[in-house]
Amino acid sequence: GAVVSQHPSWVICKSGTSVKIECRSLDFQATTMFWYRQFPKQSLMLMATSNEGSKATYEQGVEKDKFLINHASLTLSTLTVTSAHPEDSSFYICSASLGTGMNTEAFFGQGTRLTVV
Amino acid sequence: AQKVTQAQTEISVVEKEDVTLDCVYETRDTTYYLFWYKQPPSGELVFLIRRNSFDEQNEISGRYSWNFQKSTSSFNFTITASQVVDSAVYFCALSETYNTNAGKSTFGDGTTLTVKP
Repeated sequence: GAVVSQHPSWVICKSGTSVKIECRSLDFQATTMFWYRQFPKQSLMLMATSNEGSKATYEQGVEKDKFLINHASLTLSTLTVTSAHPEDSSFYICSASLGTGMNTEAFFGQGTRLTVV
Repeated sequence: AQKVTQAQTEISVVEKEDVTLDCVYETRDTTYYLFWYKQPPSGELVFLIRRNSFDEQNEISGRYSWNFQKSTSSFNFTITASQVVDSAVYFCALSETYNTNAGKSTFGDGTTLTVKP
């Protein structure tokens, strides 16, 4: 199956700093990538949909100025948590899709555990 | 809007017992994917199965089996002869296939399975 790599697997940062998380599709070109957030003991919630070469579409309640998403190429999307605060501590997971059309599916990265201290 | 319901928040069984995890979904799409994922304490999502909405055949893989019934919008997961290593959180998810939402997944709240020795 297709492989999606997410980096880093975990990161600890100080409050007020910014953190960048990368999501790469290793063996296919991903027209669309999705970013999810999972708080402890909760489900995965979609944060935003990222299409290559265009602005990301954010879900309701997600601050686009705080969670910057860049999808500059068909194999890489980045999520930058700006001015991180302890409440941003969470598990962030990306998925990459082969794109539009019938029978498309997405493949998940291994996730990034962010801890803001 | 898509919705996935996993009514069982937590299940506890004794090793070697069979256990079924329920999943009910809602969608207006005629084509979609259904998934089950396992999330161990380490956090990564482990893919278990994908089922296309047109394929209602039940599937068995070792101790795992899945029962997809479109008439009741259910996609239940059974573990036969459970083992301690099966302890994890299990997520059922529905993925869209149309246009720019292709690959976008909606997750259930998850079922925490504890298998006691």
